[in-house]
Amino acid sequence: EAGVTQSPTHLIKTRGQQATLRCSPISGHTSVYWYQQALGLGLQFLLWYDEGEERNRGNFPPRFSGRQFPNYSSELNVNALELEDSALYLCASRATGALREKLFFGSGTQLSVL
Amino acid sequence: DAKTTQPPSMDCAEGRAANLPCNHSTISGNEYVYWYRQIHSQGPQYIIHGLKNNETNEMASLIITEDRKSSTLILPHATLRDTAVYYCIVRAHNDMRFGAGTRLTVKP
Repeated sequence: EAGVTQSPTHLIKTRGQQATLRCSPISGHTSVYWYQQALGLGLQFLLWYDEGEERNRGNFPPRFSGRQFPNYSSELNVNALELEDSALYLCASRATGALREKLFFGSGTQLSVL
Repeated sequence: DAKTTQPPSMDCAEGRAANLPCNHSTISGNEYVYWYRQIHSQGPQYIIHGLKNNETNEMASLIITEDRKSSTLILPHATLRDTAVYYCIVRAHNDMRFGAGTRLTVKP
């Protein structure tokens, strides 16, 4: 069974540009979570999607946005990139309706903003 | 979701048991305790979770105090590959929010 896949693995952008990160959940999983992890820091919750709807978002500015597609894959968009957006962005998925079940994480996208 | 407190770092000798504490004094009745770990630059990996009974699986044991205000993750025979950041999370139905975790270093 394929795990959570994220693309691209690495992304280099310059200040002011836009970045799009993609996540494919495990087959059968409808919930997708996004996290930001800056170098040496913990995971900061960004967004949670379930059944195509945004369920919750963390304390991030509106230039961080995303969506979930009918096939439950998800995109994270970061507009007007700033240097401090450089981080590892992790996606996780969870099984349908299983609120107490575990999250499965992808390997992340390393975003570098120059 | 309730807040958790963990020591920032711990050391453990290879082959010995690693006991990682977590304080969650504001936990409510329907909140579960979850443990994940993150090995350098990889996505976090689920370890174990529980509500009020002690739990054991192939990776670890979870001991939850009777008042549920704290818990301990036990790695019975730590190896060098167990060196990682360990996160304790308390949640009911909402998003999973990670704290700073405990950086466990297993030494030979």
